[in-house]
Amino acid sequence: GESVGLHLPTLSVQEGDNSIINCAYSNSASDYFIWYKQESGKGPQFIIDIRSNMDKRQGQRVTVLLNKTVKHLSLQIAATQPGDSAVYFCASGGYNKLIFGAGTRLAVHP
Amino acid sequence: DGGITQSPKYLFRKEGQNVTLSCEQNLNHDAMYWYRQDPGQGLRLIYYSQIVNDFQKGDIAEGYSVSREKKESFPLTVTSAQKNPTAFYLCATKSGQGTTGELFFGEGSRLTVL
Repeated sequence: GESVGLHLPTLSVQEGDNSIINCAYSNSASDYFIWYKQESGKGPQFIIDIRSNMDKRQGQRVTVLLNKTVKHLSLQIAATQPGDSAVYFCASGGYNKLIFGAGTRLAVHP
Repeated sequence: DGGITQSPKYLFRKEGQNVTLSCEQNLNHDAMYWYRQDPGQGLRLIYYSQIVNDFQKGDIAEGYSVSREKKESFPLTVTSAQKNPTAFYLCATKSGQGTTGELFFGEGSRLTVL
């Protein structure tokens, strides 16, 4: 079946460094991709999304890169801050359904 | 405030009891979803509804039931048939039927079976 996997369950970075969180998806028919941030005990919050007709999209301090050839998605966070510490989920899908990955925990150290 | 309200935030249940988790939204979104989250795992889809009086099973619907009598409300019942109900339950909405797009999530309900 369809799956979405994150490459590392935990990522530790120094405050001020750039963070890169990676994700792989299995369904080549997916046309929509999204990243969420989840803080402990709360619901996921939208970070950024991208459609399959794009390779890159930028937001405030965040960039999503999509490589459809190898079915890979990444989230880049510039100048990582302590408030960025959370679990990050990628999801892919289309039409009415999103398949979520297991999440990567980002730990930001001073 | 516009948003999604899930209640209760914490719920304890004895084995063999049914419980109902509430999800109410005032975003005027057509589609509503229930996901289950277990530690170290991604979100898994239980049920979803694109329109009032209609809903579809997700990937892990066994032991759960839903209703969609009003656009604003999509309650989830965890029945005694659900073998491992202890989890964090998330309700989400999406504007438009059958379209791709962002899901908006509530703050979740944590169910613990004693």
